[in-house]
Amino acid sequence: KAGVTQTPRYLIKTRGQQVTLSCSPISGHRSVSWYQQTPGQGLQFLFEYFSETQRNKGNFPGRFSGRQFSNSRSEMNVSTLELGDSALYLCASSLADSLVSYEQYFGPGTRLTVT
Amino acid sequence: DAKTTQPPSMDCAEGRAANLPCNHSTISGNEYVYWYRQIHSQGPQYIIHGLKNNETNEMASLIITEDRKSSTLILPHATLRDTAVYYCIVRVSYSGGGADGLTFGKGTHLIIQP
Repeated sequence: KAGVTQTPRYLIKTRGQQVTLSCSPISGHRSVSWYQQTPGQGLQFLFEYFSETQRNKGNFPGRFSGRQFSNSRSEMNVSTLELGDSALYLCASSLADSLVSYEQYFGPGTRLTVT
Repeated sequence: DAKTTQPPSMDCAEGRAANLPCNHSTISGNEYVYWYRQIHSQGPQYIIHGLKNNETNEMASLIITEDRKSSTLILPHATLRDTAVYYCIVRVSYSGGGADGLTFGKGTHLIIQP
């Protein structure tokens, strides 16, 4: 079974631009979560989508948004890019059908550099 | 979610058992203990999780103390490829689908020495 895939793997953008990142979860997984990883702040939760609905959101400004499609694929968008948005953006998928516990499976990430 | 405390770094000789401690003294009764690891420049990898019983899978064993205030992840025969940052996370279970975000601390940087 294929793992979580993220595209593109690397991206360079200029301040003020916007960017869209894509994530394809493991087949059958309905939950997709997004994380930002920077050297200073570590791994931080952005938001989670389940069945095309955003269920949870971390403490990030409204410039960060996302969506999920009916096939569970997800995109995240960052508008008006700032230098501080340079980071590794990670997507994680989960089966999320257990009433007890679950694990998340992470993709390789998209390395975004803002200049 | 409960806060965890881990040593910032540890060394272990190749072939020996690596024992990574985690303190979670404020854990609640419905919180699970999860372990993930992140090899440099890769996405985090799920290792194991448990509630109160010891757990073992093909990657590792998880030992949780009886009072659940601490746990130890054991890699039985460490290899160079086990060099990574290991994160101990405690979080509630959930119902009805959906997932709250995982709260990653700074983790333990485990270095396997040849």
